[in-house]
Amino acid sequence: DTAVSQTPKYLVTQMGNDKSIKCEQNLGHDTMYWYKQDSKKFLKIMFSYNNKELIINETVPNRFSPKSPDKAHLNLHINSLELGDSAVYFCASSPPRGGFIEQFFGPGTRLTVL
Amino acid sequence: GNSVTQMEGPVTLSEEAFLTINCTYTATGYPSLFWYVQYPGEGLQLLLKATKADDKGSNKGFEATYRKETTSFHLEKGSVQVSDSAVYFCALLPSGGYQKVTFGIGTKLQVIP
Repeated sequence: DTAVSQTPKYLVTQMGNDKSIKCEQNLGHDTMYWYKQDSKKFLKIMFSYNNKELIINETVPNRFSPKSPDKAHLNLHINSLELGDSAVYFCASSPPRGGFIEQFFGPGTRLTVL
Repeated sequence: GNSVTQMEGPVTLSEEAFLTINCTYTATGYPSLFWYVQYPGEGLQLLLKATKADDKGSNKGFEATYRKETTSFHLEKGSVQVSDSAVYFCALLPSGGYQKVTFGIGTKLQVIP
């Protein structure tokens, strides 16, 4: 009964390929996020969706496209992968605003671009 | 804009030593403040929180007090254990509307026996 799950856990691919990472949460939360963590552990938000609607879109290359088929899922598709995309990508979710906003993180997907 | 500044690690301590990890922030209004912990190979998890000035968050022996006058939220623990070895992130969430959490750079703590 994992709260926030991501697949795959590891992803190794060649430059130029297209890949997707999937995220699902079973917490009933309305808001989901994608973060990128670089090799120095710096954590940067990429996108946030609330009830399938994009609400935060940081300065991220167009090659990254999030998709939220329903409020329990937020997938990340990356086109034309580059070496600099190598990082750990974390999905997270949080409950509706109005109460305490804790973010629940998935276990991460380590992407390595060769 | 909003920002969080925390000490850059790594911090290496012997077991049972006292821990302080400094965190200061810049934000308008009254943000909520958090400490998240990331154990090796895992995602972040909330360690403690404070939502208003003078609140003290505490969990697992860790404490942090929301100090508006010094815009700080330093993390402390009286006696660290090897199992506390992890990366610690200070974070803030501005008040009002849909806002993003701003994380600090993370401080790696290594506790040696």
